[in-house]
Amino acid sequence: AQSVAQPEDQVNVAEGNPLTVKCTYSVSGNPYLFWYVQYPNRGLQFLLKYITGDNLVKGSYGFEAEFNKSQTSFHLKKPSALVSDSALYFCALLTGAGSYQLTFGKGTKLSVIP
Amino acid sequence: DVKVTQSSRYLVKRTGEKVFLECVQDMDHENMFWYRQDPGLGLRLIYFSYDVKMKEKGDIPEGYSVSREKKERFSLILESASTNQTSMYLCASSFPAWTGRTEAFFGQGTRLTVV
Repeated sequence: AQSVAQPEDQVNVAEGNPLTVKCTYSVSGNPYLFWYVQYPNRGLQFLLKYITGDNLVKGSYGFEAEFNKSQTSFHLKKPSALVSDSALYFCALLTGAGSYQLTFGKGTKLSVIP
Repeated sequence: DVKVTQSSRYLVKRTGEKVFLECVQDMDHENMFWYRQDPGLGLRLIYFSYDVKMKEKGDIPEGYSVSREKKERFSLILESASTNQTSMYLCASSFPAWTGRTEAFFGQGTRLTVV
């Protein structure tokens, strides 16, 4: 069965420091991987995706993510955190071109401290 | 910009009421989804639809039904609302995964409270 794990419920980082939000996955086929962000009382916004190609994917708002097949990970990164990056982040998995169902992690709350 | 619009931001309903949550998308997406979001549980899929009049159960369909009479509209129905259905409900839409345009777009959410 496919699954996504976000091992940290909360990540705290100082403004200006690099941030990493972790995601690992389990799937039998080739994964399609996504990151979404949710601000309070709002829906989810798409940040970036990996389908195939370069392992380093760049997305919105200066975020990027690195796909690592051997470690089955897809960590979200940003070189310099902003207070406005504080939000709930979700990793999600789609098991290939024939599938419909996105499987989400439980989310990681990112707090950027001024 | 893709727009997924949910009919209400906040709803308060009484136990036993029939509740309708409406979702409309304007991007001609084939796929539409209903999720509920609860703290510590992430997003759980209730139902999805990959075409008009087609529906499939997700992980937690009990107590819910759906309707998709038109491509742009996907309705979630709580047949008899119960307090354990108090939650944030999120609608989403997307193209089929085989198109490569796989990302889902979400509505702003409906926070439903059943009293």
